Amino acid sequence: EAQVTQNPRYLITVTGKKLTVTCSQNMNHEYMSWYRQDPGLGLRQIYYSMNVEVTDKGDVPEGYKVSRKEKRNFPLILESPSPNQTSLYFCASMISGVYGYTFGSGTRLTVV
Amino acid sequence: QQQVKQSPQSLIVQKGGISIINCAYENTAFDYFPWYQQFPGKGPALLIAIRPDVSEKKEGRFTISFNKSAKQFSLHIMDSQPGDSATYFCAASMVSGGYQKVTFGTGTKLQVIP
Repeated sequence: EAQVTQNPRYLITVTGKKLTVTCSQNMNHEYMSWYRQDPGLGLRQIYYSMNVEVTDKGDVPEGYKVSRKEKRNFPLILESPSPNQTSLYFCASMISGVYGYTFGSGTRLTVV
Repeated sequence: QQQVKQSPQSLIVQKGGISIINCAYENTAFDYFPWYQQFPGKGPALLIAIRPDVSEKKEGRFTISFNKSAKQFSLHIMDSQPGDSATYFCAASMVSGGYQKVTFGTGTKLQVIP
């Protein structure tokens, strides 16, 4: 089944403790992206990647890092999480030239 | 300006009625306008999309109306059903720096009551 897989689905952590949210897609898509979803703010892009080793900032990149060492994987790294990063996170992928994202099921992160 | 404005924030519709969600944009470089549907606990899923060279696109009970001069587009759900209850996001996309940049609206939570 073609899909984007995120892990974990739920995560509660403490301020300052580094964490990684994994994302993997099995569709050979070039584009991958991370979004956060907050009430009243919709989906805001954190980082995106056009291909292996090519990443760039989205609209809200502060406090986040990403890497794209393999085409299928695009992990999101929070080096020092803070409570304002409590949110619902989505990874998404898209094939070049076809305009539509496939989203993962989301990761609900709580930073206390 | 990359913003996409969406309204209403929430909507309650009787079963069998028409649900209408509106979006407006400012950047005329946008060239693709998708709508996404999100059920609780799931990621958004592409529902229907339109390009600015057509004024309307229909897929089953879902229709996008597009007004290029007003820079507005809307989603109409005909004969709304309880199973349509979800959050709907409009979006607008354009190629920027070789990348398909997608900007989402803030979402509309639709509840269809029996």
